[in-house]
Amino acid sequence: ETGVTQTPRHLVMGMTNKKSLKCEQHLGHNAMYWYKQSAKKPLELMFVYSLEERVENNSVPSRFSPECPNSSHLFLHLHTLQPEDSALYLCASSQARTGVSGNTIYFGEGSWLTVV
Amino acid sequence: EDQVTQSPEALRLQEGESSSLNCSYTVSGLRGLFWYRQDPGKGPEFLFTLYSAGEEKEKERLKATLTKKESFLHITAPKPEDSATYLCAVQNSGGYQKVTFGIGTKLQVIP
Repeated sequence: ETGVTQTPRHLVMGMTNKKSLKCEQHLGHNAMYWYKQSAKKPLELMFVYSLEERVENNSVPSRFSPECPNSSHLFLHLHTLQPEDSALYLCASSQARTGVSGNTIYFGEGSWLTVV
Repeated sequence: EDQVTQSPEALRLQEGESSSLNCSYTVSGLRGLFWYRQDPGKGPEFLFTLYSAGEEKEKERLKATLTKKESFLHITAPKPEDSATYLCAVQNSGGYQKVTFGIGTKLQVIP
């Protein structure tokens, strides 16, 4: 297994359900991200974990709860979502920022979430 | 606040018809500018990272260039398999890994 893998690829959930998205990276990186992608909008950064510490929340509603147990795994726990939360959720990883140059972010294939 | 504007929003080319996609940006200290390709229903696929004005990178029919205010993705003699949405993003000199994305250019190459 190489790169960044996300499961499930598709998820349909009711507004009262609790579910989780899972992400695993096999690139030896130490920073992981959750992004939300909606139609006609730029990618929105939701959470950043760098060296397993959450460093950016970006004003995301509390119905989204991230968990990063180690540098290779990232979860997004979902509960009492709204229909407007339906979107493509992308996990990504990179090296944590160390020098003056930027660090490329590598993405998984995404999890399509539909809230009904 | 960092901003990325991509143009055009959509581009339709005949196979073999070369063109360029534009990415204009404002950023508080550029650490890197990134180009990605995204196919429908899939995650963005990394293409290039550019770090400083004047830098150029090439991959097959694609060439990315960077100035202090914008980047271009030149597509030479495109093929139908180059059809995708192309995303541009910038990383600033802030203390964490913030990357700002543009909305993308949807490219369609017609045989």
